[in-house]
Amino acid sequence: EADIYQTPRYLVIGTGKKITLECSQTMGHDKMYWYQQDPGMELHLIHYSYGVNSTEKGDLSSESTVSRIRTEHFPLTLESARPSHTSQYLCASSASGTSGEGEQYFGPGTRLTVT
Amino acid sequence: DQQVKQNSPSLSVQEGRISILNCDYTNSMFDYFLWYKKYPAEGPTFLISISSIKDKNEDGRFTVFLNKSAKHLSLHIVPSQPGDSAVYFCAASTPRSNDYKLSFGAGTTVTVRA
Repeated sequence: EADIYQTPRYLVIGTGKKITLECSQTMGHDKMYWYQQDPGMELHLIHYSYGVNSTEKGDLSSESTVSRIRTEHFPLTLESARPSHTSQYLCASSASGTSGEGEQYFGPGTRLTVT
Repeated sequence: DQQVKQNSPSLSVQEGRISILNCDYTNSMFDYFLWYKKYPAEGPTFLISISSIKDKNEDGRFTVFLNKSAKHLSLHIVPSQPGDSAVYFCAASTPRSNDYKLSFGAGTTVTVRA
């Protein structure tokens, strides 16, 4: 069973506020990811990290930033929230070198609403 | 552009019957394929995967078939149960190129009728 946690689960916040979405995993996975998903749409990768102090932008352009100072922690920050940032944010992790070739395990997600 | 496509947004099936979900991809470099299941307000959970060196992988009620020449894969659920009602996502990656990022389809919503 995957152990990956996201907080908060739900967040309603006003325009212009700074927010940080937390993601932690206890599996020791080296790889972590952030996805954005809107209803009826595919998951879009916005950030990923293959190890500590290594972060990359994903396929979908995002105004958010991430950091990876510790293996288990991969927070996502929005400096100034806007209504266009309203979405579900999903964090995932995976380990390389396993027989599964990198299944990603997902957290429960954060549903963000910017008013 | 979307490299993984699930052209059926929804599927309704009677309990006990077979559910068949389809997925097409355009990137011939993909060599690993996965299916995820998602309930509302939860994160996706991994169901089953298949490597490009195989054409079939089975796990209990779930079987995934891969047709590389057609760039097509399908997920069979037999027999379908009410708890299978969820959104199913197809995903693909290229781990042999050390690229572990997943490309997802838009999902198929499965409803299992009693």
